[in-house]
Amino acid sequence: GENVEQHPSTLSVQEGDSAVIKCTYSDSASNYFPWYKQELGKRPQLIIDIRSNVGEKKDQRIAVTLNKTAKHFSLHITETQPEDSAVYFCAASFNDYKLSFGAGTTVTVRA
Amino acid sequence: EAGVAQSPRYKIIEKRQSVAFWCNPISGHATLYWYQQILGQGPKLLIQFQNNGVVDDSQLPKDRFSAERLKGVDSTLKIQPAKLEDSAVYLCASSFSTGGGQETQYFGPGTRLLVL
Repeated sequence: GENVEQHPSTLSVQEGDSAVIKCTYSDSASNYFPWYKQELGKRPQLIIDIRSNVGEKKDQRIAVTLNKTAKHFSLHITETQPEDSAVYFCAASFNDYKLSFGAGTTVTVRA
Repeated sequence: EAGVAQSPRYKIIEKRQSVAFWCNPISGHATLYWYQQILGQGPKLLIQFQNNGVVDDSQLPKDRFSAERLKGVDSTLKIQPAKLEDSAVYLCASSFSTGGGQETQYFGPGTRLLVL
């Protein structure tokens, strides 16, 4: 089955700086890569996703890049703000079957 | 649109007892998922339904866990008997997909289970 590894497990950044989270996956058939944000005690919420037919996608301060050859994808958050503090999960699947999640990255934005 | 609903939100039971969780997906969503999220880890898929049929249950501990989705709408997940290691948040999610798509999964608030 699919195995998703996520790094780092914790990330502390100064407000206004950028944050980068990296994930690798094992199944070359995977073609859907969403990122979820989970605030303490709340449900995971989709913040951005990318399909395998594109290499990069951007939505305001958030961007995701995908390297299918190397089987890794990354989340980039620019101009971080205190409300960006949360746990971020990457995931991978073939279509929407068996979405496999990484272990999560706890991001703390220091004021 | 209304989100995914789950109940109860919290449950405390003793080991060897039984427990059941309920999920109501977003109206019109064909696919429903149950995940187990242990503290400090990412969600792990337990079972995936498409309408009222099981798509994947390979990670469901079938000796103690069962799930059903009657009429292709609501779903229940049961644990019988519970073990200490079942303590986790049980998340339900749904997506519009009828199969083969790359649809967004929307999560419910989860049920936090503590087994003593």
